[in-house]
Amino acid sequence: EVQLLDSGGGLVQPGGSLRLSCAASGFTFSSYAMSWVRQAPGKGLEWVSAIHGSGSSIYYADSVKGRFTLSRDNSKNTLYLQMNSLRAEDTAVYYCANVQLWPPGYFDYWGQGTTVTVSS
Amino acid sequence: EIVMTQSPATLSVSPGERATLSCRASQSVSSDLAWYQQKPGQAPRLLIYGASTRATGIPARFSGSGSGTEFTLTISSLQSEDFAVYYCQQYNNWPRTFGQGTKVEIK
Repeated sequence: EVQLLDSGGGLVQPGGSLRLSCAASGFTFSSYAMSWVRQAPGKGLEWVSAIHGSGSSIYYADSVKGRFTLSRDNSKNTLYLQMNSLRAEDTAVYYCANVQLWPPGYFDYWGQGTTVTVSS
Repeated sequence: EIVMTQSPATLSVSPGERATLSCRASQSVSSDLAWYQQKPGQAPRLLIYGASTRATGIPARFSGSGSGTEFTLTISSLQSEDFAVYYCQQYNNWPRTFGQGTKVEIK
C-alpha cells in the first residue's frame, strides 16, 4: 500500500524558513517523480514543485522560484521542500504527491498534508 | 499560463441522480486532463487521467470525456460518498494548473 507521510509544517514569521518532509513507503521511491501541491485556506489547488525520480530535474512554479528548494533522498525514501523567505501568501496546506509521467503529469497518490502558517 | 475554468461552482443533486461537471481550458491541452475528488479535511484523490481513464479502484459510475478545451466528468448515479469538491487539472503546459473546483452538494 502506497503511503506518503507529510510533516514539518508550523507557524513561522514572514521572512522565515521551514523545511517540509514527505516519507514514502509501499512503492519504489526512486522510480517515481514527486511533487508538492498546496491549498490556501478555503481555496483551490496550486502546483508548487516537482522532481524527477533520480533528482536530476526539478521544476518550480514562478510563485516560489528562488525561494523554495525541492530535493529528495532516495536512500531514505524521503522528499524535502526547503522554504525560505516565506510570505503570508505561502500560508496553505502542503501535500506531497506521487507524480505520473515526466515531465510531470498528474498526481497519483497524496499525503495527508501539513499546514504552513506564515504570520507575525 | 493555461486557465482552467470549471462550471458550475456548485451543483445540487439528489442521491441517485446524474451529475455532469464541466471543465474548460483557455487553450488546447489535448487529452492531458485529470480529475480529482476532495472531501473536507482530506487530501485530493485521483479519479480520472488522460481525460477518460479511470484511476485504480475508482467506481465505474465515474466517467470522463472530452479533448482539446472542453471536458466533462459524469457521475452516473450519485452515492452519499460522492458529495465533495471536484477539481480538473491540465498537464499539457507549464505551469500545471487546476480549475477552481465544483462543489457537489446534496439537494
